[in-house]
Amino acid sequence: AQSVTQLDSHVSVSEGTPVLLRCNYSSSYSPSLFWYVQHPNKGLQLLLKYTSAATLVKGINGFEAEFKKSETSFHLTKPSAHMSDAAEYFCVVRTPGDTGRRALTFGSGTRLQVQP
Amino acid sequence: KAGVTQTPRYLIKTRGQQVTLSCSPISGHRSVSWYQQTPGQGLQFLFEYFSETQRNKGNFPGRFSGRQFSNSRSEMNVSTLELGDSALYLCASSIDSSGNTIYFGEGSWLTVV
Repeated sequence: AQSVTQLDSHVSVSEGTPVLLRCNYSSSYSPSLFWYVQHPNKGLQLLLKYTSAATLVKGINGFEAEFKKSETSFHLTKPSAHMSDAAEYFCVVRTPGDTGRRALTFGSGTRLQVQP
Repeated sequence: KAGVTQTPRYLIKTRGQQVTLSCSPISGHRSVSWYQQTPGQGLQFLFEYFSETQRNKGNFPGRFSGRQFSNSRSEMNVSTLELGDSALYLCASSIDSSGNTIYFGEGSWLTVV
């Protein structure tokens, strides 16, 4: 079985300051991990993905995430927040095999607010 | 390259009716999955199709069904609609079902009154 825990439901930062969105996962096998962003009334857009290559993954819009197997974490960071980053962010795990389930498991989401 | 296209984008139905939502995956993608998003339950997996076969199913009642056509387009159907079915229904596609990146459509907003 797999699960994802996003440790913060809301994060508020000032524009220009760093962003940290935390995600912990559990998986029976080597997982694929993703971060998606959802702006209001929109679908989900892929920010970045980890699929067992480099542990530090760079994504779009200046976001990056580091896969830490020992801590079962995949935290999302950005050095400097922009007003347009305000959105909901989802950490997602996908584990092939196991009971045959290949479905994505979503975290509960973190709403990022960016203050001017 | 066109993204995942979902139709209709918005619809309102009455309790007891049925609804069919359509999804056209990215060209060349053979796996299509469906998700329900609600404020209370978050994002929940409905089902996944690959090469016209249902590969995986989430924990939803039998009123929720789907299918995939030979051109990889997919439809999902909800019969005997309930108020609680009001949600954003998201379709996603990937090249295959082995763990490749999944790309989402903009979703279909269903309101049941």
